[in-house]
Amino acid sequence: EIVLTQSPGTLSLSPGETATLSCRASQSVGFYLAWYQQKPGQAPRLLIYDASYRATGIPARFSGSGSGTDFTLTISSLEPEDFALYYCHQRYNWPITFGQGTRLEIK
Amino acid sequence: EVQLVESGGGLVQPGGSLRLSCVGSGLTLSDYWMTWVRQAAGKGLEWVASTNQDGNEKVYVDSVKGRFSISRDNDKNSLYLQMNSLRGEDTAVYYCTREALRSYGQIDNWGQGTQVTVSS
Repeated sequence: EIVLTQSPGTLSLSPGETATLSCRASQSVGFYLAWYQQKPGQAPRLLIYDASYRATGIPARFSGSGSGTDFTLTISSLEPEDFALYYCHQRYNWPITFGQGTRLEIK
Repeated sequence: EVQLVESGGGLVQPGGSLRLSCVGSGLTLSDYWMTWVRQAAGKGLEWVASTNQDGNEKVYVDSVKGRFSISRDNDKNSLYLQMNSLRGEDTAVYYCTREALRSYGQIDNWGQGTQVTVSS
């Protein structure tokens, strides 16, 4: 099983700052990693797929990078609506797995 | 616009059964691998089961093997999850999801979820 480890568990920042979220895979997933945002009471929303491609309608302040085992989601100039939970996900190998999540909270 | 709408959740006693349904609109379900993902309250996302386009290939997380069965009816643009021998640890919101149409395509669409509660 490919274990995805996200860090930090919680990130406290202020609006306007830049958030850097990490996802590390226990073995290579190539470029096949996605990032999701989830707000309370809502389903996750796809932000980034294949490590660096923004999904339709996602603002340019969201960007993804990385390959192999190390991936980063960067959110520049944080807006109030960006404070939420973020998960990474791989579909490269069975079983499908998700990271445990990073909570981005307002400082 | 792609929409996935789940139904069938509810309160069930341990050892009981439920059948979840998911109807798709704005997409042709038969083009896609489809997946169920669950999330217990306050917890992370857990993959449950997936099936390929014609339903001949099915994959399950170990904890539900032999108890849950994923199926689909492409003529009805629908996905199902038959859940038997339910346990307290199966309590969660269950999401119907679509995997993107490319190699190793990650999940790109989610339903709103349906709550399953297993309790006496």
